[in-house]
Formats: sequence, C-alpha cells, structure tokens
Amino acid sequence: EAQVTQNPRYLITVTGKKLTVTCSQNMNHEYMSWYRQDPGLGLRQIYYSMNVEVTDKGDVPEGYKVSRKEKRNFPLILESPSPNQTSLYFCASSSRAGGSEQFFGPGTRLTVL
Amino acid sequence: EDQVTQSPEALRLQEGESSSLNCSYTVSGLRGLFWYRQDPGKGPEFLFTLYSAGEEKEKERLKATLTKKESFLHITAPKPEDSATYLCAVADSWGKLQFGAGTQVVVTP
Repeated sequence: EAQVTQNPRYLITVTGKKLTVTCSQNMNHEYMSWYRQDPGLGLRQIYYSMNVEVTDKGDVPEGYKVSRKEKRNFPLILESPSPNQTSLYFCASSSRAGGSEQFFGPGTRLTVL
Repeated sequence: EDQVTQSPEALRLQEGESSSLNCSYTVSGLRGLFWYRQDPGKGPEFLFTLYSAGEEKEKERLKATLTKKESFLHITAPKPEDSATYLCAVADSWGKLQFGAGTQVVVTP
C-alpha cells in the first residue's frame, strides 16, 4: 500500500530536550516536505526536499532541522524544542514539486512543556 | 507574496442542502490549484488539481472550478459523511505550495 508513515504519532516532551520525528514514504517520490498545522493558521511549510541531499527552508524553518540522506526518509529534528513548537506536524511527499498531488502522513501531535 | 484565502471559515448544512466553498488566491504564475479534504486527527487527503482558468473536475458530490482569481468547491446534495475540513492550496511557478486556512463543513442529517 502506498503510504507516508510518521513516528511517533503523539509526543509530550519538555523544553530543550532534543527530539526527532521520522517520516518515510514507499512511493519512490522525489519531493518531500514538512508542515505544521495550527488552529486558524492552516498548514505552513517548515522545510522541503527536492531530492536526496537537497533541502531548503519553507515559511517557518526557525528551530527545526532536516536531512535527506535516503530518498524514502525525511526526518524532522528539533534540537531544543520550545513551547511555541507545540503543534500538529505533517510529512508529505509527491512525485515532483508544485504541480502534483501531495500524499500526507497521519500526523504527529507534539506538546512541548 | 502569494496568498490563499478561504471562505467561509465554517459552514453548517442540512443533508441535501447544496452549497459552495470559495478559495481566492494571488500567486506569481499559477502552477496548480489543489483541493484536499481533512478529517479530524488525520492528514489531508487529495481531491482535485486544477491547472487553468475554466477547468472543472468532479468526484461524486463534489465539483471544483477555477477562474483566474478564485476556485469554488461545490457540494451537491451533501451527506453527513461529507463533513470535514476542506483545504485549498496553490503552487506558484517555483513549485512552492501555499495553503489556505480551510473551511470546516458540518452536514447534519
């Protein structure tokens, strides 16, 4: 089954404790992206990757890091989480940037205390 | 700067009561306009892509249309299972995707 998986699905942590949210897709997609979703603000792009070893900032990259060492994986790293990073996070992939549909993961709900 | 505005923010419909959702946009070089459906606690699910003004796409009770400045998602004779948040997104000439805040639709029996 074609899918995007994320782990963990739920995470409660404390300020400053480094964490990683994993994302994996099995569709051989070139393009992957991370979004955060907050009430009233919609989905905002954090980082994206056009291909392996190619990543770039989205609209809200501060406080986040990513890496794309393999085509299928695109982890999101929070080196020192803060309460304002409490949000619902989605990973997405598509065959190419822009004009093709994105497939979204199930989401990771993160709470930073 | 690219902007996507969806209206209304929320819509409550009786089963069978048709209505339309609006997505107005400003973008430098539209590469595509997308509609997604999102159920509570889940990731957005792709519905349609529209590429040029005048284009229309249909799927069951949903029909999406596109002009140069806006898109409409028409829901015909909705059922309770059509309750969801509907998201609009536009891709600019660089391939960057910008989402609207969404319209939450509730269909009551």
